[in-house]
Amino acid sequence: DTGVSQDPRHKITKRGQNVTFRCDPISEHNRLYWYRQTLGQGPEFLTYFQNEAQLEKSRLLSDRFSAERPKGSFSTLEIQRTEQGDSAMYLCASSFRTTESSYNSPLHFGNGTRLTVT
Amino acid sequence: GQNIDQPTEMTATEGAIVQINCTYQTSGFNGLFWYQQHAGEAPTFLSYNVLDGLEEKGRFSSFLSRSKGYSYLLLKELQMKDSASYLCAVREVIKAAGNKLTFGGGTRVLVKP
Repeated sequence: DTGVSQDPRHKITKRGQNVTFRCDPISEHNRLYWYRQTLGQGPEFLTYFQNEAQLEKSRLLSDRFSAERPKGSFSTLEIQRTEQGDSAMYLCASSFRTTESSYNSPLHFGNGTRLTVT
Repeated sequence: GQNIDQPTEMTATEGAIVQINCTYQTSGFNGLFWYQQHAGEAPTFLSYNVLDGLEEKGRFSSFLSRSKGYSYLLLKELQMKDSASYLCAVREVIKAAGNKLTFGGGTRVLVKP
């Protein structure tokens, strides 16, 4: 178990540029979540996948944000035409859920990608 | 929808006890989690309650009352390394889409010598 890994750890970009972040979940986890966190606040839900299917997307998420999990393993989060308000820590988390017992493990978080839009 | 409230900040002395309260309102409750987050690091899982009562895990305990929409995290024998933010999170059942976790704003605990 190598944990959830995210890349890059830090990203500085100019307003209007596109950025893409990657998340590699814990290998046996079938659920993957993206959250955003600003200083002094709790993580805010963005979207989540079960295997390759995107099951929910926050209404707060503008259409400049898109996430994919093409093979049900790693995921990417892309932000197009970045704005200064997009500056935040982007956290990825994964969990395991069985259908038989409805057991849903706690979320395990990565260390995040800190985005700064100048 | 969700509404999760917890105090913004608490200060306590090394060796003492601190209780962090969390109240929530949700339409489809399916469990409450507490996470610890040190500055600049990922949140790490502390405890999980889905039934009423107290769950004890070493120096940390968590309590849940579903009828009151209330939980607390109790930290005993505080150590300096316990200085961190403590996040209350509620799992809500989303029809046809499984569960998602919604977080409160976090309580920053400062442990003083």
